[in-house]
Amino acid sequence: GQQVMQIPQYQHVQEGEDFTTYCNSSTTLSNIQWYKQRPGGHPVFLIQLVKSGEVKKQKRLTFQFGEAKKNSSLHITATQTTDVGTYFCAGTSLFRGSNYKLTFGKGTLLTVNP
Amino acid sequence: EPEVTQTPSHQVTQMGQEVILRCVPISNHLYFYWYRQILGQKVEFLVSFYNNEISEKSEIFDDQFSVERPDGSNFTLKIRSTKLEDSAMYFCASNPNGVETGELFFGEGSRLTVL
Repeated sequence: GQQVMQIPQYQHVQEGEDFTTYCNSSTTLSNIQWYKQRPGGHPVFLIQLVKSGEVKKQKRLTFQFGEAKKNSSLHITATQTTDVGTYFCAGTSLFRGSNYKLTFGKGTLLTVNP
Repeated sequence: EPEVTQTPSHQVTQMGQEVILRCVPISNHLYFYWYRQILGQKVEFLVSFYNNEISEKSEIFDDQFSVERPDGSNFTLKIRSTKLEDSAMYFCASNPNGVETGELFFGEGSRLTVL
């Protein structure tokens, strides 16, 4: 079945440093979504990317969707302590055409040293 | 702002007991989901529900699991005979038009501990 891989599993940075997490799918994706989960919390939607090669920005966060629609990245510029949490990518498979299942990656846990 | 609500927030049960986790999705949403997250691990898909029937389920969702929408607002997950490995956080989520077109709105989760 569809697998979504994410690296790194953990990332510890000093406040002000940049952070990037990478996501790779075993199958071509219809779309990819990114979620943030604070410690002890629930996943909260950040963004959805649909088009091949799409780039979207939210303040210090930059999201990219690969040309082949199989990979994606999230980059945070100048991290702050409020960025702490686990960042998950999640995708729907293009060829299964599933509107019913979002498959999550394992997530990247970001910790920020003030 | 509308939100998905889940009860109970924490349930402790003995192995072999039945558990029902309850969810109230956002009122105008049509697609409902259950996910689970074992501590420190990824968010795993269990089942999706649309038009009063299961639309997709994972290999985790075996005969011990069932879902129901008993009325116009509640969406429940039942585990018939709990096992130790069912201990996890269970998240309910809803979505207006399906995940191809938009985000999942998650509840705060129900933590299940099986002793």
